[in-house]
Amino acid sequence: ELKVEQNPLFLSMQEGKNYTIYCNYSTTSDRLYWYRQDPGKSLESLFVLLSNGAVKQEGRLMASLDTKARLSTLHITAAVHDLSATYFCAVDESGEGNEKLTFGTGTRLTIIP
Amino acid sequence: SQTIHQWPATLVQPVGSPLSLECTVEGTSNPNLYWYRQAAGRGLQLLFYSVGIGQISSEVPQNLSASRPQDRQFILSSKKLLLSDSGFYLCALLAGETDTQYFGPGTRLTVL
Repeated sequence: ELKVEQNPLFLSMQEGKNYTIYCNYSTTSDRLYWYRQDPGKSLESLFVLLSNGAVKQEGRLMASLDTKARLSTLHITAAVHDLSATYFCAVDESGEGNEKLTFGTGTRLTIIP
Repeated sequence: SQTIHQWPATLVQPVGSPLSLECTVEGTSNPNLYWYRQAAGRGLQLLFYSVGIGQISSEVPQNLSASRPQDRQFILSSKKLLLSDSGFYLCALLAGETDTQYFGPGTRLTVL
């Protein structure tokens, strides 16, 4: 059974600081997704990482994938309040992008002024 | 671009009552569709997915069922709700060159 673990589960950080969220998974896969969820809302797609060494960046967020280590990171640079949300990683075990995703537990990020 | 509609947005139902949640999509044909549930403060759990009309795969044994009567319609049902069925139900479709799952606005279900 595929397991996807995120850490930390909760993160409070000051505006302007940098931090990293980690996503570990238990089986071989080269397809990983990051999503954002605002309180009471649905999930918004952030990044799709499709191969070992893949790196994607959008604004203050940067995601990377190391398939050999079975690890993905979401790095936050110079955090701003608008980034406060819960972030989920999800792994497609099939590697084909057409089947089920297993989600991590989520990291609730709070940016403090 | 694709659009996902979910109905209703919120629902409060008594234990033992039936359930029907609807998901409809626009802007695509023959999409893979998914039902997820998110319990309060938790991650997402895949319940069902469908690759076409009448084709349903169940991921978790439970008192829920799903149907796909039309290409762009996915329905989640129950004959008798349990307290543990409370949660945020999300419909998703697979789209784009990167085969990303995109989520609808969700239905928040409270079973009392």
